Amino acid sequence: EAGVAQSPRYKIIEKRQSVAFWCNPISGHATLYWYQQILGQGPKLLIQFQNNGVVDDSQLPKDRFSAERLKGVDSTLKIQPAKLEDSAVYLCASSHRLAGERDTQYFGPGTRLTVL
Amino acid sequence: AQSVTQLDSQVPVFEEAPVELRCNYSSSVSVYLFWYVQYPNQGLQLLLKYLSGSTLVKGINGFEAEFNKSQTSFHLRKPSVHISDTAEYFCAANQAGTALIFGKGTTLSVSS
Repeated sequence: EAGVAQSPRYKIIEKRQSVAFWCNPISGHATLYWYQQILGQGPKLLIQFQNNGVVDDSQLPKDRFSAERLKGVDSTLKIQPAKLEDSAVYLCASSHRLAGERDTQYFGPGTRLTVL
Repeated sequence: AQSVTQLDSQVPVFEEAPVELRCNYSSSVSVYLFWYVQYPNQGLQLLLKYLSGSTLVKGINGFEAEFNKSQTSFHLRKPSVHISDTAEYFCAANQAGTALIFGKGTTLSVSS
């Protein structure tokens, strides 16, 4: 079974530029998560999707971050404009069962973003 | 609100020695508990999980953890570590279908 795929693996941009990350979850996984992991810290949720609907985006900085999950499969996360403090690893995870049931989250390799 | 505390930021050990990585959680409701490992420049790999049932959980690579409800702990143990176990370890908790709440991580350094 293929795991969670993410691209690009690394990205370096200047502040105020825009950037987009892509995630392809494990086939059949209904729930998709985007986490932000700042150096030296544990990952923190940015947004959770259930199929193509948003379950939780309470911690997403909506003035600069946006995310979508078209057709309930792939997802993209965008930052526009980027700030220095957005430098982090962006992790995508997916889980099989529908929200509200027990599940296990499987993580992709992450995208390391450096904002100069 | 849920929170997860990993009590040690760094744990240095010698190869073949036992190790324990400590994790405490706080929650007013039942939670599910997880340990993930992260190798350099890689994503998170699930080591083990506690959902219900037996409080002693066995995972991959010889790791195990014990859920202690009275002490709100979920410590990770391995009786004999290898150089290849050097990595960052994260304890996490959630309720069914929700996002994981992670601790800050523990760096395990195994030397010969």
